[in-house]
Formats: sequence, structure tokens, C-alpha cells
Amino acid sequence: AQSVTQLGSHVSVSEGALVLLRCNYSSSVPPYLFWYVQYPNQGLQLLLKYTSAATLVKGINGFEAEFKKSETSFHLTKPSAHMRDAAEYFCAVSDPGSASNFGNEKLTFGTGTRLTIIP
Amino acid sequence: DGGITQSPKYLFRKEGQNVTLSCEQNLNHDAMYWYRQDPGQGLRLIYYSQIVNDFQKGDIAEGYSVSREKKESFPLTVTSAQKNPTAFYLCASTITGGVQETQYFGPGTRLLVL
Repeated sequence: AQSVTQLGSHVSVSEGALVLLRCNYSSSVPPYLFWYVQYPNQGLQLLLKYTSAATLVKGINGFEAEFKKSETSFHLTKPSAHMRDAAEYFCAVSDPGSASNFGNEKLTFGTGTRLTIIP
Repeated sequence: DGGITQSPKYLFRKEGQNVTLSCEQNLNHDAMYWYRQDPGQGLRLIYYSQIVNDFQKGDIAEGYSVSREKKESFPLTVTSAQKNPTAFYLCASTITGGVQETQYFGPGTRLLVL
């Protein structure tokens, strides 16, 4: 079974500084990986996803993430933080192998990282 | 505009009462999901459905029930057997239920116990 660990439940960065949100996964096969963002009292919105194509994935709002198999990581970065980036971010993993095993098509979410931007 | 709607935005439950949360989508998606979100715990899957008239339990199905009589609708009932129902409930959908697909989320329903 797959699992996701997000290091740091709260991260604070200054406006204009680098954003780095960490995500490590555990999976028996190369997984599909996702980053979602949630603004207060709203649903989640996809930022980007990795589905075994290019290992560097670019998403919306200037975010990107790199799949590193050797480190089992999929960290989210943005070169310059903006006030509107303040939100909660979730990393999620699914198992491509489960597509052939009906009943196991599930997405497993991490516990989230709340990003605060300091003016 | 296509999307997912959830109602109500806030719901209050009395002790021993069953309550039903609505989820409707006009995206023509086959698969729909219900998640529960608690602070510091991320999202946990309650139930999901890949086709009409069929659904599967997720990781925390006890105390909940669902139905899928129409493709666009996937209501969730929180029964009196769910002893700690206070949470934020999120409905989502995907085109076919494939594991590589993006999940589209509704705005959520916050359930509170009186």
C-alpha cells in the first residue's frame, strides 16, 4: 500500500522568497503523484501531477515539482512567494498497478502543509 | 459552467439524527468520491463510486452510507452510528476513476454537532 509523508505541517516564508514544501512517498511501484492546494473553507484544486512522463513537472501559479525516484520524493517549489500563495498544500499518491485491480483505485493524501507568507 | 456543487455549506446535527449531504456534478464524470477532512489529518476516503448503482467502501466507511442512483448525484448520509461526525466533508469526481486522473472537488460541507 502506498503512503505519503509531508514534512512540516506549517511553513512560513517571506514574500519573494523561495517556497519549498516537502513530500516523500512510499510505493511498491513507481507511483502517480499529485500536489493539490486548498484555500480556506474551499475544496481542493490541482496544482500539478506526475504520471511517469517528464520528471520535472510545471504547474499552475508558478509552482513546479521534481520526481526523484532515488529519494522517493516529490517536493513542491516556487522561486518567489506571493501573498496569494498562502493556503494549505496536499501531496497525494496513487498506485498505477491498482488500475487493474478494481476496488483499489484510490488516492492517498498526506496530512497537508499550511503555507504562511510573511509580508 | 461545469463543476461540483455541495449543499448545504453548513449543517448541524442533533444527537441520534441522520443527516444527508448533497453532491451534484455536471461534468459528466463517471466516478465520484466522498472524503472527510479533519485538522492535521489530511483527507480520508469514506466511499467512492465508479458507475451508477455501484459503490465501494473507503478507509473510514463506518457510520456512513451512500447511494448512486444517478450519474450526476452521490449523496452521503451521516448516520447516528457515526459518533464523531464533526468535520469538513468534500465530494470529488473524476472522468472514469483512473488512478492518473485529476480529482475535481466541490466547495465542501462543514458538519457540526449540536
